[in-house]
Amino acid sequence: SQTIHQWPATLVQPVGSPLSLECTVEGTSNPNLYWYRQAAGRGLQLLFYSVGIGQISSEVPQNLSASRPQDRQFILSSKKLLLSDSGFYLCAWDKTGGWGYNSPLHFGNGTRLTVT
Amino acid sequence: KQEVTQIPAALSVPEGENLVLNCSFTDSAIYNLQWFRQDPGKGLTSLLLIQSSQREQTSGRLNASLDKSSGRSTLYIAASQPGDSATYLCALRTSGSRLTFGEGTQLTVNP
Repeated sequence: SQTIHQWPATLVQPVGSPLSLECTVEGTSNPNLYWYRQAAGRGLQLLFYSVGIGQISSEVPQNLSASRPQDRQFILSSKKLLLSDSGFYLCAWDKTGGWGYNSPLHFGNGTRLTVT
Repeated sequence: KQEVTQIPAALSVPEGENLVLNCSFTDSAIYNLQWFRQDPGKGLTSLLLIQSSQREQTSGRLNASLDKSSGRSTLYIAASQPGDSATYLCALRTSGSRLTFGEGTQLTVNP
């Protein structure tokens, strides 16, 4: 069966510090990978998605970046964190099947980031 | 632009009650619709996925329906239990990569 791992679970970082959040998927190959952010009391915002190694699409211009160095690894980074970067970050994966149908989207357990 | 609305934002029911959660959307050109539950501080767990060509899906005590013509989906929970307490979100896929999420309905089932 497929599993998705995301770490760390919680993180407290000072303003201006770098960030690296990692996500890995097991039990499948060539997944679509996503980074979402969920701010308190708000819905989910798609930040980045990737359909393959080295292929990253950004949905929201900001000081965050994403990379996919391996097929099942997705990394969210920042060189200098802002207070507004605080939130709940979720990694997710799915597969694109035939006729454009996608499999269900599956989420990791998330990382709670607090920028102080 | 797809807009997804979930009403009510919060719902409290006694244990054993059957209940319906609602999800409305503005653009019927969707690939599929997915229902999730989210427990506090956790990620989202996929409950049911309905492809655009389907009308409903069932899993255990859960039944989800999709009516594209009216822009509505419902999630029916039978014989609710305290363990069903969570936030329920619907999400519509309008392209290969993009899902639009509702704000969710926070459900509390009281023992």
